[in-house]
Amino acid sequence: DAKTTQPNSMESNEEEPVHLPCNHSTISGTDYIHWYRQLPSQGPEYVIHGLTSNVNNRMASLAIAEDRKSSTLILHRATLRDAAVYYCILRDGMGGATNKLIFGTGTLLAVQP
Amino acid sequence: DSGVTQTPKHLITATGQRVTLRCSPRSGDLSVYWYQQSLDQGLQFLIQYYNGEERAKGNILERFSAQQFPDLHSELNLSSLELGDSALYFCASSVWDRGNEKLFFGSGTQLSVL
Repeated sequence: DAKTTQPNSMESNEEEPVHLPCNHSTISGTDYIHWYRQLPSQGPEYVIHGLTSNVNNRMASLAIAEDRKSSTLILHRATLRDAAVYYCILRDGMGGATNKLIFGTGTLLAVQP
Repeated sequence: DSGVTQTPKHLITATGQRVTLRCSPRSGDLSVYWYQQSLDQGLQFLIQYYNGEERAKGNILERFSAQQFPDLHSELNLSSLELGDSALYFCASSVWDRGNEKLFFGSGTQLSVL
């Protein structure tokens, strides 16, 4: 599986935008970029995924670099509830249902009131 | 609420014992994944089932086994338990969306081996 690199931790203020970076320089053409987050004492939660184009949903936006070697998860207005570990994961789109999701160490996001 | 149900929420047992963790996927989801999360190892993929058949294996010990039943619920059996097996065990089911799978995780079973 291709590897991702994320900062260990980041801080944000409530109601401000947060940009969480992820580097994946060895990404292959069929790898999808997934983001999950894990709130304290809960299971991981799907946030967003994309292949080449930027993606938006009700939780966040995903900005993918043109060469696909990096991406940024954008939380438009951070709330205290967004404090969590955010995982950036690559998943091969050609692997079908046999492809496992491999979690790294993620970025611990702290949100200050 | 993800729609994935795991029971029990907490389990305390002794070394050498055997336990069974249960997972009910979201209605209609055919895939079930099992993950282990410990403080020193992070989230580790154990095994995946799809419609009753094993599809992928990760770092699952030989003392651990799993199965998925015809009603699609899954059980993870852990035997000859050791202190190091103490961890949070998550299961997840999945749905395909825009070319790739997204997983929905349960709230986990906290296993403590004393």
